[in-house]
Amino acid sequence: DSGVTQTPKHLITATGQRVTLRCSPRSGDLSVYWYQQSLDQGLQFLIHYYNGEERAKGNILERFSAQQFPDLHSELNLSSLELGDSALYFCASSVATDSYEQYFGPGTRLTVT
Amino acid sequence: GNSVTQMEGPVTLSEEAFLTINCTYTATGYPSLFWYVQYPGEGLQLLLKATKADDKGSNKGFEATYRKETTSFHLEKGSVQVSDSAVYFCALRDNTNAGKSTFGDGTTLTVKP
Repeated sequence: DSGVTQTPKHLITATGQRVTLRCSPRSGDLSVYWYQQSLDQGLQFLIHYYNGEERAKGNILERFSAQQFPDLHSELNLSSLELGDSALYFCASSVATDSYEQYFGPGTRLTVT
Repeated sequence: GNSVTQMEGPVTLSEEAFLTINCTYTATGYPSLFWYVQYPGEGLQLLLKATKADDKGSNKGFEATYRKETTSFHLEKGSVQVSDSAVYFCALRDNTNAGKSTFGDGTTLTVKP
C-alpha cells in the first residue's frame, strides 16, 4: 500500500459525459502527478501540482483539467468524453517538486462506451 | 523532446534465469533515470533509480547502471523468481523541466517455475 488513494476504482460512462477522478496523496506529500495509461499510448504524464499550484503540463487534452485543493487532494476532470479516453488513470505523490520518488495510487479504470 | 525506448516484450524466462531488459533514452541535459515495476491490478512502484552518469541503482537483486556514453539504463537480475513476474517500466525525469517524467512502453516479464 503506497498511501495514495484514488476513487473511484472503476468508472463506466457514455461518450460526451463528464467525470471527476479523485486522488488523496500520502500524508505530508505536497506534489501530485496525474498519468494516463492506455494500451496504444502507454503511460503518459498529464499534469503536476505542487501545494495547490500547477507546476508542469504534459500531454493533457484541453477537455481535461485538474486542480489541487488546500487539503492537498487533487481532482482530474475529464469532459466531452470520447471512446479513446478509456484508460487507467494514475495519481502519484511525492514530498516535493524535486523528489525522486513518486508513490503511485492503484488507479481509476475509466471505460467510455 | 525526451523519449525512452524499451526492449519489446513479452519476455518469458524460467526461474533462476538471468534477466536483461534493455532501455535507451534521448534527453536534453542530464536526466535522472528510473525503473518502475507494476504488478497486476496495482500502481507503479519505484524499483531503483540513478541520478547521474555511472551511478548504479540496485534493489531486490535488480541492478541498472546509468551509461551516459550509450544513453542506456539496462535492467538486470542474476536469478529471477516467479514473484518477479510483472510489467517493468523504464523512465527518465527531466530535471530542467519541472521534473517532467517520460516513461517507456513497459516490458512484461513472465517467470515460469
